[in-house]
Amino acid sequence: EAGVAQSPRYKIIEKRQSVAFWCNPISGHATLYWYQQILGQGPKLLIQFQNNGVVDDSQLPKDRFSAERLKGVDSTLKIQPAKLEDSAVYLCASSSTGRGGELFFGEGSRLTVL
Amino acid sequence: GENVEQHPSTLSVQEGDSAVIKCTYSDSASNYFPWYKQELGKGPQLIIDIRSNVGEKKDQRIAVTLNKTAKHFSLHITETQPEDSAVYFCAASITYNNDMRFGAGTRLTVKP
Repeated sequence: EAGVAQSPRYKIIEKRQSVAFWCNPISGHATLYWYQQILGQGPKLLIQFQNNGVVDDSQLPKDRFSAERLKGVDSTLKIQPAKLEDSAVYLCASSSTGRGGELFFGEGSRLTVL
Repeated sequence: GENVEQHPSTLSVQEGDSAVIKCTYSDSASNYFPWYKQELGKGPQLIIDIRSNVGEKKDQRIAVTLNKTAKHFSLHITETQPEDSAVYFCAASITYNNDMRFGAGTRLTVKP
């Protein structure tokens, strides 16, 4: 079974620029999550999709962050404009409600904002 | 919302010794408590989880205990090996994965 795919793995941008991250979840997984992991901290949920609908985006900074999941499969997370404090690893995860609670994470996209 | 605190932030043990990591949570409605292991450059991976109707769960060298009254749960690793070296995260959520909150992590180092 192929895992969660994310790209790019690394991205360096200047503040006020924009960036987009892509995620392809495990085939058949209805639920997709984007987490932000700042160095030395635990993952923080940004947004959760169930199929192509948003379940929870209460911690998403909506003035600069946006995410979509068209057709209920892959997803894109965008940051525009980026700030220095957005430097972090952006983790995508998916889960199948039929398999209980396990989240399957991708390897993450590391963003550095200069 | 839920707040999860995790201790210690770093832990160093000798190979073969046991390691214990502790977490507390704030929301008494939380009923699902997973533990994730994150190796360098990788995403977190589930190693064990426990639900609120169970007090203890064991899987080979790994065990988790839950005290719902005190709102804390712990990860126990016995007979540690160098490959156990990683960052471990506890988490809590009310229903399976909805609004799951993670602790800050514990960096475990197992010295050969």
